[in-house]
Amino acid sequence: DAGVIQSPRHEVTEMGQEVTLRCKPISGHDYLFWYRQTMMRGLELLIYFNNNVPIDDSGMPEDRFSAKMPNASFSTLKIQPSEPRDSAVYFCASSFGTSSEQYFGPGTRLTVT
Amino acid sequence: GDSVTQMEGPVTLSEEAFLTINCTYTATGYPSLFWYVQYPGEGLQLLLKATKADDKGSNKGFEATYRKETTSFHLEKGSVQVSDSAVYFCARTQGGSEKLVFGKGTKLTVNP
Repeated sequence: DAGVIQSPRHEVTEMGQEVTLRCKPISGHDYLFWYRQTMMRGLELLIYFNNNVPIDDSGMPEDRFSAKMPNASFSTLKIQPSEPRDSAVYFCASSFGTSSEQYFGPGTRLTVT
Repeated sequence: GDSVTQMEGPVTLSEEAFLTINCTYTATGYPSLFWYVQYPGEGLQLLLKATKADDKGSNKGFEATYRKETTSFHLEKGSVQVSDSAVYFCARTQGGSEKLVFGKGTKLTVNP
């Protein structure tokens, strides 16, 4: 299996622009998680889905952030408008059933100038 | 609420030294416990896990034992290598969900 796939790997954008991060989970996994990692705040869970349905979005920082999962093999995290404080590495992870073993993608490093 | 506390780093060791990274968790429910490792520029990888008290997880020479009486899950390795240099995260499941609660991470550097 190719593992969790994220794109792009790096994104540099200007403040105010829309940013879309993409994730393809491992085939057959029914849970998908979006995390944000910064030096100051560590690893934060933003939102997670089960069978394409958002279950808990309490970690989404504000209305500028939105996430969708239109099907079992694709999810997006969108930031509109982006701000410099959104600069971070964003990880997608997936898991199967109740194993709780999450498999992480390589991350997208976002820089907002 | 559910939380995990790890020893603060960074930790610097010489090759072949003994490694311990402490991790304690809040004693709510019956969590599963995990250690993840993050190599530079990569995502987190599951290193080992334990699902109930007294279980020992092991992988690549690393071990950790689920200690309910001390609410601990310390990571150990008898002889570290330069290639073990990474950030290590302790995590627990959060009751009633598939969420994981992560510690802040401990950076390990192993010098030749």
